[in-house]
Amino acid sequence: AQRVTQPEKLLSVFKGAPVELKCNYSYSGSPELFWYVQYSRQRLQLLLRHISRESIKGFTADLNKGETSFHLKKPFAQEEDSAMYYCALSGRGGSTLGRLYFGRGTQLTVWP
Amino acid sequence: NAGVTQTPKFQVLKTGQSMTLQCAQDMNHEYMSWYRQDPGMGLRLIHYSVGAGITDQGEVPNGYNVSRSTTEDFPLRLLSAAPSQTSVYFCASSHGEGDYGYTFGSGTRLTVV
Repeated sequence: AQRVTQPEKLLSVFKGAPVELKCNYSYSGSPELFWYVQYSRQRLQLLLRHISRESIKGFTADLNKGETSFHLKKPFAQEEDSAMYYCALSGRGGSTLGRLYFGRGTQLTVWP
Repeated sequence: NAGVTQTPKFQVLKTGQSMTLQCAQDMNHEYMSWYRQDPGMGLRLIHYSVGAGITDQGEVPNGYNVSRSTTEDFPLRLLSAAPSQTSVYFCASSHGEGDYGYTFGSGTRLTVV
């Protein structure tokens, strides 16, 4: 079964400190993985997708198929990074066609 | 290019009332989905569609109906509102299978009293 696990419900760091938001997944195949961000009471925005291997707002995420992980990292956190972060998985065809599976989210707070 | 538009933004219903949450996208996206967001639960898929005329159930479909008569519109109907349906509802759309990701609407905050 498809599953996305974000083990940390809350994460707090100080400004300038490194931050890592964990995401583990289970999927019998090659998934497409995403990170979404939701600032207070706003819509979800796509932050990163694994296939493009890009860096957005200083965040990066590497897909580790051996550990089935897709952790989100930033070397120096900023106060404006405070938000809810969701890891999501999209399957390729079959019963997963058209479905996006979300983790429960990690609320990141960056203190000044 | 408005993206994904949801109406209304806020709604209060009495138990037993019915209503339709509207969702429209102008990006010619094939895939559309409805999610509900509850504290500590993340986003849970209610219904989704991979094209006009095609819909399917997600994780939590009970109490909700959808239809997809056009590519642009994907309304969500609450048949008989219950307090357990108090939530924030998000509509999302995507080009289709691939690494495009989904574009989300701004949400509808629904309270059932």
